[in-house]
Amino acid sequence: DAEITQSPRHKITETGRQVTLACHQTWNHNNMFWYRQDLGHGLRLIHYSYGVQDTNKGEVSDGYSVSRSNTEDLPLTLESAASSQTSVYFCASSDNGGLNEQFFGPGTRLTVL
Amino acid sequence: AQSVTQLGSHVSVSEGALVLLRCNYSSSVPPYLFWYVQYPNQGLQLLLKYTSAATLVKGINGFEAEFKKSETSFHLTKPSAHMSDAAEYFCAVSPNDYKLSFGAGTTVTVRA
Repeated sequence: DAEITQSPRHKITETGRQVTLACHQTWNHNNMFWYRQDLGHGLRLIHYSYGVQDTNKGEVSDGYSVSRSNTEDLPLTLESAASSQTSVYFCASSDNGGLNEQFFGPGTRLTVL
Repeated sequence: AQSVTQLGSHVSVSEGALVLLRCNYSSSVPPYLFWYVQYPNQGLQLLLKYTSAATLVKGINGFEAEFKKSETSFHLTKPSAHMSDAAEYFCAVSPNDYKLSFGAGTTVTVRA
């Protein structure tokens, strides 16, 4: 069955370190998204991609970067982790013909000490 | 820009009672609308979606939502709550650019 996976599921890191969160989907979807979830804010869009070599900034992109070298993967990198980036991160994907429905991964809980 | 307002961050209902979760959106054009559910320590799962085919949309687990353009609302209901409905629920809106804007979420607690 097609799916979307995230790794690691839990990560503890220190302030200033570079961290990369992986997202892999086997739906063959064109569109991929990264969100962060914080209490009282719902999900906020960090970065998104509409295809290979395409990346775009979302509403909370400062301190994050992504790259899309193939259809299946959209890794999220925190260049220099900050305590304000402690959050739960979700990856999602969608098809151009899917009426904008997004399919979500299980999430990565990141703690920055 | 799209925005979504969910009224009430926390709703508590008795088992067997009506569940009503409110969602209002701002949009200059008819959007796609969604309700997602998140169970503890899990990702989001689609409950239902409005795509202009019908104003009353039926979803999984007995939930339904009604699109009211005049009120810019898309409220979610379930006639009879079950203990398994305890979760966080998110309303989301999407124009035609594949992105979703989410509300802040409503946590549902079901009392026995």
